[in-house]
Amino acid sequence: AQSVAQPEDQVNVAEGNPLTVKCTYSVSGNPYLFWYVQYPNRGLQFLLKYITGDNLVKGSYGFEAEFNKSQTSFHLKKPSALVSDSALYFCAVRLLYNFNKFYFGSGTKLNVKP
Amino acid sequence: KAGVTQTPRYLIKTRGQQVTLSCSPISGHRSVSWYQQTPGQGLQFLFEYFSETQRNKGNFPGRFSGRQFSNSRSEMNVSTLELGDSALYLCASSLDNGYEQYFGPGTRLTVT
Repeated sequence: AQSVAQPEDQVNVAEGNPLTVKCTYSVSGNPYLFWYVQYPNRGLQFLLKYITGDNLVKGSYGFEAEFNKSQTSFHLKKPSALVSDSALYFCAVRLLYNFNKFYFGSGTKLNVKP
Repeated sequence: KAGVTQTPRYLIKTRGQQVTLSCSPISGHRSVSWYQQTPGQGLQFLFEYFSETQRNKGNFPGRFSGRQFSNSRSEMNVSTLELGDSALYLCASSLDNGYEQYFGPGTRLTVT
């Protein structure tokens, strides 16, 4: 069975410090990987994706993510957190052979304190 | 381009009633997916429609159904509402040969 795990329900970081939100996956075959962010009472916003190529991908709002095939991980990172980054973050996986069936992690709440 | 729109944004229904939610995808997107989001279960995939056909289906009871029209707009119907159906229902659209999905703001359904 395909699955996506976000091991931390919540991540707390001080403004200006680097942040990491973790994601690991278990799928058959090579996946497409995504990060989304959700602000209160809003839908999900696409941040970035890994399809192929360079393991470090850059996305919106200064976020980046590192794909590690051996560890089956796709951690989200940002060098310097902002209070406005506080939100709910979702990792998602899509399989190559099944377009548009996405598997989402349980979400990680990021709290950035001033 | 306009984003994904969902109507209504908020809905209050009584147990046993039925409800219909609507989603208009981004222009040119033919795939529409529906998700249920609750604090306890997270994001759960309901179904995906493409060219008026259900192409993927999650593990929800038959009370949950959907359809897609020729203009790619989609509706989701829940019959015989239960308290546990209270959730944020999200719609997402994508190009069929694209990668990411684009989400609407959601419909907040409260069942009393």
